[in-house]
Amino acid sequence: DAKTTQPPSMDCAEGRAANLPCNHSTISGNEYVYWYRQIHSQGPQYIIHGLKNNETNEMASLIITEDRKSSTLILPHATLRDTAVYYCIVRVARSGSARQLTFGSGTQLTVLP
Amino acid sequence: DSGVTQTPKHLITATGQRVTLRCSPRSGDLSVYWYQQSLDQGLQFLIQYYNGEERAKGNILERFSAQQFPDLHSELNLSSLELGDSALYFCASSPEGGRNTEAFFGQGTRLTVV
Repeated sequence: DAKTTQPPSMDCAEGRAANLPCNHSTISGNEYVYWYRQIHSQGPQYIIHGLKNNETNEMASLIITEDRKSSTLILPHATLRDTAVYYCIVRVARSGSARQLTFGSGTQLTVLP
Repeated sequence: DSGVTQTPKHLITATGQRVTLRCSPRSGDLSVYWYQQSLDQGLQFLIQYYNGEERAKGNILERFSAQQFPDLHSELNLSSLELGDSALYFCASSPEGGRNTEAFFGQGTRLTVV
């Protein structure tokens, strides 16, 4: 699975959009970008994933660059409850294969009142 | 609520002892994963079971073992415990068959070895 690079920490004002970058310059054509978050010592929570097209769900949007070497997770209106460590994970999705996730250090997002 | 249940939530035990952590996956999920999160190591994959069979192994110590039962619940057994085994242990489950299914994590068991 490709290695990812994320800033260790970011702040965001409550109500503003939080844009969390992730660099995955060695990503392969069959690797997906996944985002999870972990709110203080709770179990990680799936947010969103994508291959090459931008994706949006009720939690966030995922913007993947055309060359797929980087992506940005966007929380459109951050709240205090969005304070968490956000993990960007790149991996191959093969049906029937081992599916373990490799977590890096992530980005500690702090939403400020 | 992810639908994954882990028990107990907290466990305090002495060095050298043996403990069992239990995980009930989401209804219908065939895969169960175990992860360890310690302060200095971050989230580390330990082992995966699929429908009762071991599927993948990560950084799991020989003192640790796991199994998945016919009803799909899983247990992680930790023996000859050391202070360094103190950590949060998470279980996750996912369905099988699709390519892009996400993993759903339980709330973890906090193990303290004293």
